[in-house]
Amino acid sequence: RKEVEQDPGPFNVPEGATVAFNCTYSNSASQSFFWYRQDCRKEPKLLMSVYSSGNEDGRFTAQLNRASQYISLLIRDSKLSDSATYLCVVKGEWAGNNRKLIWGLGTSLAVNP
Amino acid sequence: NAGVTQTPKFQVLKTGQSMTLQCAQDMNHNSMYWYRQDPGMGLRLIYYSASEGTTDKGEVPNGYNVSRLNKREFSLRLESAAPSQTSVYFCASNPRDRYDHEQFFGPGTRLTVL
Repeated sequence: RKEVEQDPGPFNVPEGATVAFNCTYSNSASQSFFWYRQDCRKEPKLLMSVYSSGNEDGRFTAQLNRASQYISLLIRDSKLSDSATYLCVVKGEWAGNNRKLIWGLGTSLAVNP
Repeated sequence: NAGVTQTPKFQVLKTGQSMTLQCAQDMNHNSMYWYRQDPGMGLRLIYYSASEGTTDKGEVPNGYNVSRLNKREFSLRLESAAPSQTSVYFCASNPRDRYDHEQFFGPGTRLTVL
């Protein structure tokens, strides 16, 4: 089983739709969780951290389910500009002086007019 | 502030050639990283530097060397390029004074080795 798994998609949704992605992780000792966004041929950028209590930033909501070992990202009222690849990142065990960051392969979202 | 800058943006090498990828950040961050991104593989850490004067291997260090020249600059060197090193290379930094340790990425270098 991969350490971090995401459905690659693509998810094709109309503008205004609500869409949700999940990301599963294999190591129950994983510490911190993040969602990054990567536009085509661009660098990844942090979208939001995922806290145990869940967190919301405008149209975006992130949840953590430790029992089932997954995190989720919900996007409400999708905009054309939300079209991108969403990368799940899990901070895991120690590797040298840093905790290892494990990057998912990403879920591709296309929002259509 | 420019954030994280990388040069060059694109490069084509022949097998066996050497080159250095440059990275600089103007955010006064302590930690800097080099990643490669390949289709189907996700982002993989090559080397990182937790602070000026220190470097450590990541997941895929073979065939690469790094230099943390000063707090701002972290370069990646390919001594003898191989086709397997064809990839997109990202440099990143983070301040290491925040719990969530956000990584700030440069725009990337697209390298092709023929």
